[in-house]
Amino acid sequence: QVQLQQWGAGLLKPSETLSLTCAVYGGSFSGYYWSWIRQPPGKGLEWIGEINDSGRTNYSPSLKSRVTISPDTSENQFSLKLSSVTAADTAMYYCARGRGKVVPAAEIDLWGQGTVVTVSS
Amino acid sequence: QSALTQPASVSGSPGQSITISCTGTISDIGGYNYVSWYQQHPGKAPKLMIYDVTNRPSGVSDRFSGSKSDNTASLTISGLQAEDEADYYCSSYTSITTDLHVIFGGGTRLTVL
Repeated sequence: QVQLQQWGAGLLKPSETLSLTCAVYGGSFSGYYWSWIRQPPGKGLEWIGEINDSGRTNYSPSLKSRVTISPDTSENQFSLKLSSVTAADTAMYYCARGRGKVVPAAEIDLWGQGTVVTVSS
Repeated sequence: QSALTQPASVSGSPGQSITISCTGTISDIGGYNYVSWYQQHPGKAPKLMIYDVTNRPSGVSDRFSGSKSDNTASLTISGLQAEDEADYYCSSYTSITTDLHVIFGGGTRLTVL
């Protein structure tokens, strides 16, 4: 059974860089796109971006200037970096698998457990 | 870009049917058949319930169905059960920019009375 396990720093100060990693256990890293999605407290979901095993990325236009998603195929992992964070970036961050054939993120079928990230001075 | 528009809340009694709407534009829901629906129970990660407007992943009850008309997608849950009480989110591919990406609705809280 494929599982995603994620980790990273949970408390940041404004202007710092958020860094999270997600590992894929029990399944193939190739053949899918791997997404990051966030959810501010009490609010809805926001798609951040995705990457495949070849390193091809797609990002949300609203976050594109601050986001980097990278793969580590040797470890079956991928990571998220979000620079210059503010309080507005406080959220639960999920890693996830997209399996849509044309729009991978249109079919997110597997989710990590989530990581709470708080930005506060 | 703006999120898709969903009602904040809907409710129904056990056994009844309810429908949750998700309104977008011609650049997203109206132009493409890449609409998905997710169910999220409190403190849990979302779960895919519908993809490509009408398709159910393996293991999802056939009480859940999806449809689309013009710029509005809908999720219908028939034979409501207590376990259906959750938040529901729609998502859609959008071509509002050249970046390939998806947007979500604001979410709908379903209460089973």
